[in-house]
Amino acid sequence: DIVMTQSPDSLAVSLGERATINCKSSQSVLYSSNNKNYLGWYQQKPGQPPKLLIYWASARESGVPDRFSGSGSGTDFTLTISSLQAEDVALYYCQQYYTTPLTFGQGTKVEIK
Amino acid sequence: EVQLVESGGGLVQPGGSLRLSCAASGFSFSSYDMHWVRQATGKGLEWVSGIGTAGDTYYADSVKGRFTISRENAKNSLYLLMNSLRAEDTAVYYCTRARVYMDVWGKGTTVTVSS
Repeated sequence: DIVMTQSPDSLAVSLGERATINCKSSQSVLYSSNNKNYLGWYQQKPGQPPKLLIYWASARESGVPDRFSGSGSGTDFTLTISSLQAEDVALYYCQQYYTTPLTFGQGTKVEIK
Repeated sequence: EVQLVESGGGLVQPGGSLRLSCAASGFSFSSYDMHWVRQATGKGLEWVSGIGTAGDTYYADSVKGRFTISRENAKNSLYLLMNSLRAEDTAVYYCTRARVYMDVWGKGTTVTVSS
């Protein structure tokens, strides 16, 4: 199984400042035939289902604010919130869809400092 | 509007069975892979099972042999038959649509396994 490890487990950032979440996979999720990283990022607020933010490691889902961006390739990935807003307080998960079993990171809690 | 609505959750005794359903609307259901993902209270997300457009099925080791995923395209519906339920199966179960990545999620249905 591919193990997804996020860091940190939680972070507190001032409003308007940058938040960075890292995700490392135990093996590459880069599919060589199409050069795509099979990696997504989800946001989950309390009492709500997860919401897709980023797919293919760096493609922003329709309707997602452009302050959210994804980067990385192979085994190391990053989700960046360029200017934290109050509504961004949530749990964030990375997930690989390269192979089954599909696996998620343990989650990173983002709070306001 | 694209929508997934789960139902069928509830309280069941250990060893019991439950069948979850997911009603899809607003998109061509038969064209998408579908998955079940669960989340225990205060815990992270755990993929449970998936089914492809051709009916190919996939399971997490933790549920293999106990859970069965199926779909009925004519009814735009996804199902999860859960047998031999254990306390550790207690969770909110989400139905998700996937075009490789999971882009639409239902609100979930709660399964509680307890005596």
